[in-house]
Amino acid sequence: DSGVTQTPKHLITATGQRVTLRCSPRSGDLSVYWYQQSLDQGLQFLIQYYNGEERAKGNILERFSAQQFPDLHSELNLSSLELGDSALYFCASSRGTSGRVGGELFFGEGSRLTVL
Amino acid sequence: AQTVTQSQPEMSVQEAETVTLSCTYDTSESDYYLFWYKQPPSRQMILVIRQEAYKQQNATENRFSVNFQKAAKSFSLKISDSQLGDAAMYFCAYTTGTASKLTFGTGTRLQVTL
Repeated sequence: DSGVTQTPKHLITATGQRVTLRCSPRSGDLSVYWYQQSLDQGLQFLIQYYNGEERAKGNILERFSAQQFPDLHSELNLSSLELGDSALYFCASSRGTSGRVGGELFFGEGSRLTVL
Repeated sequence: AQTVTQSQPEMSVQEAETVTLSCTYDTSESDYYLFWYKQPPSRQMILVIRQEAYKQQNATENRFSVNFQKAAKSFSLKISDSQLGDAAMYFCAYTTGTASKLTFGTGTRLQVTL
């Protein structure tokens, strides 16, 4: 158990819909990262938050947005869903006193999104 | 841009044997970190081993060790005495000392046979 909690574990929805994925980082971790893993692919970095503020952005679509709340949990919002958005979405956290990733990232179990 | 390349989509090893997974990376940075992550069928991403570029000594964690060739930008993972539980996808990953993200390779699927 990494200590990172993601909900829901599985989600099936239709094209055009909107979903929200939730992540609770490990206790004490200030940085939260979101990654997308499409079928048989590596992990693509989407976005990072550090202590409530956006720290880095990767190849995140404009239809996607995220935020980190004062209690440090994070949500990833995916809207106007397309078939190609079907993927495993991982959240990870780290101590990251400065948002740097010199140390280990602790990953949640992922949220499997299926868009039909 | 930094890239991570894993040229072996699949590998197979017999139980108790040794296998080496390859990884190369491209960077102009001098301060960076390299990682191997394991993803079993449970989908959990598990850190296997971590290497800091400024350290010449190869990292070792029990049956897992790396061969870090900085000049060649190569970072291979050696698994000794392979066990059935080692069967998984293995991802090589890279980050710089100032970056905020990990860049992953496409992964190598390892099968362990009896």
